[in-house]
Amino acid sequence: GAGVSQTPSNKVTEKGKYVELRCDPISGHTALYWYRQSLGQGPEFLIYFQGTGAADDSGLPNDRFFAVRPEGSVSTLKIQRTERGDSAVYLCASSSFGALGADTQYFGPGTRLTVL
Amino acid sequence: ELKVEQNPLFLSMQEGKNYTIYCNYSTTSDRLYWYRQDPGKSLESLFVLLSNGAVKQEGRLMASLDTKARLSTLHITAAVHDLSATYFCAVDMEYGNKLVFGAGTILRVKS
Repeated sequence: GAGVSQTPSNKVTEKGKYVELRCDPISGHTALYWYRQSLGQGPEFLIYFQGTGAADDSGLPNDRFFAVRPEGSVSTLKIQRTERGDSAVYLCASSSFGALGADTQYFGPGTRLTVL
Repeated sequence: ELKVEQNPLFLSMQEGKNYTIYCNYSTTSDRLYWYRQDPGKSLESLFVLLSNGAVKQEGRLMASLDTKARLSTLHITAAVHDLSATYFCAVDMEYGNKLVFGAGTILRVKS
């Protein structure tokens, strides 16, 4: 079946602009995650949704970042007043839920964000 | 705060050789994952280890978990060029709330 998809694959913007990054999870997965990966580093957690609600947003770096998942499927990560330090690959992952909580997280291809 | 450390961070090895990548973590964990990432690509799930003493094998890769030592290993047997990639371990603290990743081990297998 289809995996996690993310659009756009690349986004170049200017400092101070607003951007939206979209994630379409695997069908039926109730859990959705956003991570950020800087060059040469492992992914860093941003936010986790269970259904429509953000269950944990402790990884969002500041109030310029927020994410929504209004119908419990597609999610959008929104970044206001972008800064050069926001440049990174933004990864989305989704998982199903089993008896022991969330199962393996499956990652999308990522959106490479470049802020000039 | 949970910390996950991998070593080595870079590994260059000859085809046919064996080697082990280590992943240490600082607090009790529910699960441990190993992922592979090829350049410019996303992360591919390799293994999930659920309990102390768990061992899983797929092809030339074998992963194990020692929860008492807070240590996981990824052993590579008779390496081949196709295994060249970056390998991440990730620790799940709260039954799927979030993963904390190590910095990754860049593996280069030379012909």
